[in-house]
Amino acid sequence: KQEVTQIPAALSVPEGENLVLNCSFTDSAIYNLQWFRQDPGKGLTSLLLIQSSQREQTSGRLNASLDKSSGRSTLYIAASQPGDSATYLCAVRMDSSYKLIFGSGTRLLVRP
Amino acid sequence: DGGITQSPKYLFRKEGQNVTLSCEQNLNHDAMYWYRQDPGQGLRLIYYSQIVNDFQKGDIAEGYSVSREKKESFPLTVTSAQKNPTAFYLCASSNQGPGNTIYFGEGSWLTVV
Repeated sequence: KQEVTQIPAALSVPEGENLVLNCSFTDSAIYNLQWFRQDPGKGLTSLLLIQSSQREQTSGRLNASLDKSSGRSTLYIAASQPGDSATYLCAVRMDSSYKLIFGSGTRLLVRP
Repeated sequence: DGGITQSPKYLFRKEGQNVTLSCEQNLNHDAMYWYRQDPGQGLRLIYYSQIVNDFQKGDIAEGYSVSREKKESFPLTVTSAQKNPTAFYLCASSNQGPGNTIYFGEGSWLTVV
């Protein structure tokens, strides 16, 4: 059974710092991995989608990497801003399945 | 604007009552999903539908029911059989094929009173 873990559960950093969020999964037979952002009481916004054949994806200050063999993905946020404060969730999709399996998220606070 | 609309945003349910959460999308997506989120936790799949008039159970379907009569609509009914329904409910949609990005609505809060 696939399990997705995100550590740490919460993170507080000063503005301007570069930071890394971690996501690990137990079954490497994934189809893709997606990173989401969730603001309090809101829905999820997709940030980056990495297919299983890819190693990384970039969007602006965000860079996500994927290492299937080790069951790990990281989300790198450069030059963090207070507006980046939110909960970040990763989710994996297994081969040819519509089901997404979510981690419990990392709650990020960027202090001014 | 294209997107997913969930209503109501807040809903209170009395014991023994069925309630229905609405989800409408104008993205022309074939696949639609319902997820449940409990505080401090990730999302769990309730039901999903890949095409009109067809849907499959997710991990926690007990006490819930859905219908998919139209491509753009996927309502979720929380029945009285669901013993712990208080949660945040999220509807989502995506294009056909598991390699596509999934898009979420703004969510509905359901509280049992």
